[in-house]
Amino acid sequence: GESVGLHLPTLSVQEGDNSIINCAYSNSASDYFIWYKQESGKGPQFIIDIRSNMDKRQGQRVTVLLNKTVKHLSLQIAATQPGDSAVYFCAESLRVVNKLTFGGGTRVLVKP
Amino acid sequence: GAGVSQSPRYKVAKRGQDVALRCDPISGHVSLFWYQQALGQGPEFLTYFQNEAQLDKSGLPSDRFFAERPEGSVSTLKIQRTQQEDSAVYLCASSLGQGAPYEQYFGPGTRLTVT
Repeated sequence: GESVGLHLPTLSVQEGDNSIINCAYSNSASDYFIWYKQESGKGPQFIIDIRSNMDKRQGQRVTVLLNKTVKHLSLQIAATQPGDSAVYFCAESLRVVNKLTFGGGTRVLVKP
Repeated sequence: GAGVSQSPRYKVAKRGQDVALRCDPISGHVSLFWYQQALGQGPEFLTYFQNEAQLDKSGLPSDRFFAERPEGSVSTLKIQRTQQEDSAVYLCASSLGQGAPYEQYFGPGTRLTVT
């Protein structure tokens, strides 16, 4: 399959360390935010979401933080594993509209 | 169960040819979305259906792009007179409903290369 992350910023992480991926979103009216993981040759895969009335949400090994004041979103991955190597995109939407606006993406490389 | 499927997975077209890309959403999903993803970039919204109704086509880049979902299930994205700038991965996503933030499930995409 094609390579998704040829020209994306890259985060290199040692296996077992924590990863933090940052995203600045554009629309102050957006009220729903999602992180997606995309492996080469595949479509984006949902990781975790958060609504604008929250500032933190935790899943399995992942945490999303939302700072509406500065329009910033972050994804924290605990104990990063080789299978976490992929391109990560944040996306924003208006719930009543539901179409997604994606950010530019970050490539994560996990070193063994 | 089966996820979103797209066909063909790869399509090579000569400039000026017409192409048709197919999306089979998850059974029972009301909403269907098409996105375009250029190499090294995030997906960009093209159009959105709720059942058979095309509610938003604001992202279609030109009138050469046309999408339909006549029976509220399978959808086809058609590109007429393809140009080199149309080369991209075309992603289809479906979700259970509309209004509330239902998760969008993406297919693997169709990679279109226009030569």
